[in-house]
Amino acid sequence: LAKTTQPISMDSYEGQEVNITCSHNNIATNDYITWYQQFPSQGPRFIIQGYKTKVTNEVASLFIPADRKSSTLSLPRVSLSDTAVYYCLVGDRVKETSYDKVIFGPGTSLSVIP
Amino acid sequence: DVKVTQSSRYLVKRTGEKVFLECVQDMDHENMFWYRQDPGLGLRLIYFSYDVKMKEKGDIPEGYSVSREKKERFSLILESASTNQTSMYLCASSRGWGELFFGEGSRLTVL
Repeated sequence: LAKTTQPISMDSYEGQEVNITCSHNNIATNDYITWYQQFPSQGPRFIIQGYKTKVTNEVASLFIPADRKSSTLSLPRVSLSDTAVYYCLVGDRVKETSYDKVIFGPGTSLSVIP
Repeated sequence: DVKVTQSSRYLVKRTGEKVFLECVQDMDHENMFWYRQDPGLGLRLIYFSYDVKMKEKGDIPEGYSVSREKKERFSLILESASTNQTSMYLCASSRGWGELFFGEGSRLTVL
């Protein structure tokens, strides 16, 4: 079972910043947090990964509080092309025999409105 | 760029037929995965493989089998297709337990 909880859907207007929060109350010490994006009729693609504090790349930022029981994916100034499903996963990058990190929940369906 | 190629984008089969879904990756990844995706249910892991000839069941292995004879190829087999196996099937690969790279998906309809 997925170890995370996210809102099922969100709406946003173009140009706004969107924040999607993921809860992972039982995150383990060695777990990383990874976000994927999926467009209709395509496979998911990696967006960002982090362990603590803040990570930023050209696509998004990931904010992780000190207790690591939640994380927030931030998409700056969204456009219509950001309409997609966003998945949050947690898992241990080192633990060789576990597939917890590759279990996807239902994700958050983001709709960007003109 | 990593490329994960699934053999068919769209398939239509009849109940009881044997179905093969092929997946090939070109980056020498150890791990390969098969998921199915249905509306409202997200991606559900069917099987994964962490080495040639090695396989592990995921959350929903019933009605499926897999084969990994070569490192780059991971096949999903439906021995006797049923209508409840109509779905989008997604293959993925990864180096170790890092970033997953997905194929475009295979949409299977079982009549």
